[in-house]
Amino acid sequence: QQQVKQSPQSLIVQKGGIPIINCAYENTAFDYFPWYQQFPGKGPALLIAIRPDVSEKKEGRFTISFNKSAKQFSLHIMDSQPGDSATYFCAASDSASKIIFGSGTRLSIRP
Amino acid sequence: NAGVTQTPKFRILKIGQSMTLQCTQDMNHNYMYWYRQDPGMGLKLIYYSVGAGITDKGEVPNGYNVSRSTTEDFPLRLELAAPSQTSVYFCASSWGETQYFGPGTRLLVL
Repeated sequence: QQQVKQSPQSLIVQKGGIPIINCAYENTAFDYFPWYQQFPGKGPALLIAIRPDVSEKKEGRFTISFNKSAKQFSLHIMDSQPGDSATYFCAASDSASKIIFGSGTRLSIRP
Repeated sequence: NAGVTQTPKFRILKIGQSMTLQCTQDMNHNYMYWYRQDPGMGLKLIYYSVGAGITDKGEVPNGYNVSRSTTEDFPLRLELAAPSQTSVYFCASSWGETQYFGPGTRLLVL
């Protein structure tokens, strides 16, 4: 019930394409859903986050879509660039003390 | 602000050796965390702390110990290193829901 399932494990997209990463959860007590971005050799950093009271949130080229009834959420990257190549983690939390991370998606944007 | 700093960056241990991974944050965050990251497995929570003097187990605490004597420092101790502890270790801190991660320590146990 504490798991967050993430797919795909890896993704290759041409520059300008729209990669989509999907996550699913079981615990309905989760009320905060962040996405973290990690570049090689670095720690993860918060990219964008959403709460279940909205169905979509946009920040620049990054959009989270949230489906509360299906217990799923996804990250879309518009007009993807080679600099977006990184590992992306979805996560879920029901408190400020702990969050549960998905297994990660390694994204590669080809020039 | 240096944020979250971790030392060392890389270490090779022999089986059975002990070591301490250091973590320091200068953001006055109450919450601190230790994660391990294995390839394709995401981040697993080892231990966390909600304030000085308070620690609790995460998902994978076996083989590790922590202490939190100050707000700034949250060291992770490996007492008897095993090959299964080969991983990249990340320390993080938070005030609210956003966690700030350090650069990581790569540990190889041979």
